[in-house]
Amino acid sequence: NAGVTQTPKFQVLKTGQSMTLQCAQDMNHNSMYWYRQDPGMGLRLIYYSASEGTTDKGEVPNGYNVSRLNKREFSLRLESAAPSQTSVYFCASSEGLGPLTYEQYFGPGTRLTVT
Amino acid sequence: SQELEQSPQSLIVQEGKNLTINCTSSKTLYGLYWYKQKYGEGLIFLMMLQKGGEEKSHEKITAKLDEKKQQSSLHITASQPSHAGIYLCGADPRGVSASGSARQLTFGSGTQLTVLP
Repeated sequence: NAGVTQTPKFQVLKTGQSMTLQCAQDMNHNSMYWYRQDPGMGLRLIYYSASEGTTDKGEVPNGYNVSRLNKREFSLRLESAAPSQTSVYFCASSEGLGPLTYEQYFGPGTRLTVT
Repeated sequence: SQELEQSPQSLIVQEGKNLTINCTSSKTLYGLYWYKQKYGEGLIFLMMLQKGGEEKSHEKITAKLDEKKQQSSLHITASQPSHAGIYLCGADPRGVSASGSARQLTFGSGTQLTVLP
């Protein structure tokens, strides 16, 4: 049981390049999330998917797109990377089937640098 | 929008000392979550508090949600080097009974804890 896995762990992009961050969970969770973490700003929600087939914007969605490929996988795409997107990106998942099942499990993160 | 402010931002303590981290919300808290993060790693769930006055403990860590439900504290007793890391509080401003199965958590900026051996 690997939990939440993310690839890649590190990535360096040039301004304008595109890339997709991959996330997968093996806990049969319904909900998945993408966050970014910047120094002094905590984690901010980029996009989330309440269930397979649905996606919604979070606090900071601009410059990103997501795809809930199936129940296990939730990818984050940067179409044209900008230096402001340099950050650590975390994927998370939660069961989400009742009021006490909202604990979110986090992946190890992807460190992205855009030059 | 709901904002969570954590204090202190950083804390250095000697091993064996007790310490407290606070999380103050600009709005009523519904479902306050505490997480721990080690450098370069993801977040690990510690505990969730739902009701005003609720208190939960796990090993040497105790978290409380005050009666007015706008502040939570995390207390570590007899700290150890293994407690070092960044502690973050998170909350869903919509409440645990809000429709939908996804939690849109807002997080505080974190408290960095260093425990000196």
